[in-house]
Amino acid sequence: DSGVTQTPKHLITATGQRVTLRCSPRSGDLSVYWYQQSLDQGLQFLIQYYNGEERAKGNILERFSAQQFPDLHSELNLSSLELGDSALYFCASSDRVDRGVTDTQYFGPGTRLTVL
Amino acid sequence: EDQVTQSPEALRLQEGESSSLNCSYTVSGLRGLFWYRQDPGKGPEFLFTLYSAGEEKEKERLKATLTKKESFLHITAPKPEDSATYLCAVRTYNDYKLSFGAGTTVTVRA
Repeated sequence: DSGVTQTPKHLITATGQRVTLRCSPRSGDLSVYWYQQSLDQGLQFLIQYYNGEERAKGNILERFSAQQFPDLHSELNLSSLELGDSALYFCASSDRVDRGVTDTQYFGPGTRLTVL
Repeated sequence: EDQVTQSPEALRLQEGESSSLNCSYTVSGLRGLFWYRQDPGKGPEFLFTLYSAGEEKEKERLKATLTKKESFLHITAPKPEDSATYLCAVRTYNDYKLSFGAGTTVTVRA
């Protein structure tokens, strides 16, 4: 158990809909990262937040957005969903407040999104 | 752009048959190289971080090594529970994200 939690575990929805994925980082970690894993693309970085502020952005679609709240949990919002958005979405965390910046990212169990 | 290539794509081993997985990388300014294990439908599980050429890390039957161009994950006397996809990732000094390879799927038969 990495200490990173994600909800829900599974999500089934229809094209055009909007969903929210939630992530709680390990206790004390300030950074949250979101990754998408699909069969044809592998694990791809979407976005990173550090202590509530956006720090880095990958190839995240404009239909996707994220935020990190004061309690450090994060949400990834996916809107106008398309069939191709079906994938596993992982959250990872790092950078403990008492150890400064660290490199290792610990991953959560993921949310499997199916768009029908 | 950072490139991480893993080989082979798949590896089938008999229990006890040692082997190695390769991760070659082309990046500008390597900050760290990471190995993860991923079981089907689960999140990647952290195994090792390597920072400089010549560094080695060990954990049970796994040993990771790093050169200036590639990393190897050696599996010694594997057991069926070592069956998983092994992912290699890099992080550079210019970036915060991890760039992953496509992975090597290892199947160990009893």
